[in-house]
Amino acid sequence: AQKITQTQPGMFVQEKEAVTLDCTYDTSDQSYGLFWYKQPSSGEMIFLIYQGSYDEQNATEGRYSLNFQKARKSANLVISASQLGDSAMYFCAMRPVSGSARQLTFGSGTQLTVLP
Amino acid sequence: DVKVTQSSRYLVKRTGEKVFLECVQDMDHENMFWYRQDPGLGLRLIYFSYDVKMKEKGDIPEGYSVSREKKERFSLILESASTNQTSMYLCASALGIRGEELFFGSGTQLSVL
Repeated sequence: AQKITQTQPGMFVQEKEAVTLDCTYDTSDQSYGLFWYKQPSSGEMIFLIYQGSYDEQNATEGRYSLNFQKARKSANLVISASQLGDSAMYFCAMRPVSGSARQLTFGSGTQLTVLP
Repeated sequence: DVKVTQSSRYLVKRTGEKVFLECVQDMDHENMFWYRQDPGLGLRLIYFSYDVKMKEKGDIPEGYSVSREKKERFSLILESASTNQTSMYLCASALGIRGEELFFGSGTQLSVL
């Protein structure tokens, strides 16, 4: 069984500052993948970044990076230089590497608000 | 550009009505999904389909059924809508059984009165 926990229902950050969104997970699988999705007010979920459990380096995609700490079972999303357009709901998700997309488990989400 | 289109952004129905939520993707993806999104609960999988006419139950299939007659279209059916089915419904598609990412539609906010 898999479980994703996002303990921050809401977060505020000043424009141009960095922000970290927390995600902890629990799984019995040895190999797994971790995902972050962004959901703006338009409703469409947008894939941001992926980290495999055996990847040696933390994943980065532009202003997004994933702070992966395997021993602590955490996969925090770091957004650098926040922009007003980053205001959205953010979801952490995971699935076994050998599994299918059907096995994707989502957290409850964090609502990020970027202040001007 | 890839596209998953859900037919309605907002929908209001009465208790007991039969409700159809439609989803179309133009990426030739084999896999399609229906999720329900509720505050504090994240996304929960209702049903998914890995091929035409093939479907499998997700984590919360009760009260729902699905139809996939064509590869590009996946319909979610509420046979007799109830107030506890008021929610945001998200459709998604993925290439292959181990697609690294899902492509989502914009969602349908369904209110059952």
